[in-house]
Amino acid sequence: SAVISQKPSRDICQRGTSLTIQCQVDSQVTMMFWYRQQPGQSLTLIATANQGSEATYESGFVIDKFPISRPNLTFSTLTVSNMSPEDSSIYLCSVEQGRVDTQYFGPGTRLTVL
Amino acid sequence: ELKVEQNPLFLSMQEGKNYTIYCNYSTTSDRLYWYRQDPGKSLESLFVLLSNGAVKQEGRLMASLDTKARLSTLHITAAVHDLSATYFCAWGVSGNQFYFGTGTSLTVIP
Repeated sequence: SAVISQKPSRDICQRGTSLTIQCQVDSQVTMMFWYRQQPGQSLTLIATANQGSEATYESGFVIDKFPISRPNLTFSTLTVSNMSPEDSSIYLCSVEQGRVDTQYFGPGTRLTVL
Repeated sequence: ELKVEQNPLFLSMQEGKNYTIYCNYSTTSDRLYWYRQDPGKSLESLFVLLSNGAVKQEGRLMASLDTKARLSTLHITAAVHDLSATYFCAWGVSGNQFYFGTGTSLTVIP
């Protein structure tokens, strides 16, 4: 399976600022996904990012708040803009691999907004 | 509305006992996945179930899928402490979207 890294692993940010999370994969993948996991909760898909096209956002998530870049087949970024304490979560990227389209997850970025 | 429901949400069991976690999904699915998440860690893929009647086993864990009932189960046999974690089912649909269940937090007590 792919090896996925994320930066930063954690951060504490002030309200109103923005944070960009990076996701790097050790092999080329067509689709990358960004999820949010709020404390003690399940995972919620934010958006799907294909290389060379606009990200597709799930209901409740908008590009102005969570802009995504996908400049090549091994890298993506998610920006959490104009943060509020409600954005405190773990943000995970994932990639799809294999014949049965299993998603493999990065280690996550733990974000705390004060 | 797309829903994936797991029960129980919390499970405390003694070592050596058996138990089953249930995952219900609300509509037709291509694929059903099970993941494990240890505290403070990311998700680890356990099983992929692709067809009605599919059964997969790894160690003390066995997963099955009944597409007609829209139900998947994760059965734990003779639990050991190392199995303590949160277990998620996820339902895959065309277009590669995953929808995760609510999660089951399992604690195995010595």
